[in-house]
Amino acid sequence: AQRVTQPEKLLSVFKGAPVELKCNYSYSGSPELFWYVQYSRQRLQLLLRHISRESIKGFTADLNKGETSFHLKKPFAQEEDSAMYYCARHQGGKLIFGQGTELSVKP
Amino acid sequence: GAGVSQSPSNKVTEKGKDVELRCDPISGHTALYWYRQSLGQGLEFLIYFQGNSAPDKSGLPSDRFSAERTGGSVSTLTIQRTQQEDSAVYLCASSSSNREQYFGPGTRLTVT
Repeated sequence: AQRVTQPEKLLSVFKGAPVELKCNYSYSGSPELFWYVQYSRQRLQLLLRHISRESIKGFTADLNKGETSFHLKKPFAQEEDSAMYYCARHQGGKLIFGQGTELSVKP
Repeated sequence: GAGVSQSPSNKVTEKGKDVELRCDPISGHTALYWYRQSLGQGLEFLIYFQGNSAPDKSGLPSDRFSAERTGGSVSTLTIQRTQQEDSAVYLCASSSSNREQYFGPGTRLTVT
């Protein structure tokens, strides 16, 4: 079975510090990977997808096939980045999610 | 425009009772998904409808769970003989051909 692993349940950083949320996937062909975010009391929403190679809200994620990783990075965290982040892989029409990482950015 | 809507927003039921959760997808979206979000389990896929094709039921945890999608639009997730471990937030999502899934606000189910 395809797996998506987010090893950290909670990541706490101070405002202005760099942040990296880790995501690893089990190897199988060319994956289609996403990061979804859920802010407090809001819906789960798409943050970015690897095929777009774009930066959203200062976040970027690079697919590393050698390490089977798709880590989410931001050079300077902001308090409004505090949220639950889910890495997901598209498989057979559906999304397979990691366990999620709660990011807490402290002032 | 209107996003995905779900009802009820909260549901408290007694163990052993049946519950129905409803999802209204974004108009024109051909794909509809149900996921379950619970502590310790993260986000689990339950079932996926795509157009008129047979649904992918591979994520349903037991035969107490079923779902249907009428007229290619509204979907109902039914849980029979609810158990305490069914307590979770049930999320519905829909998508068109670009694969981005748009999520509803969820239904928080509590089984007492």
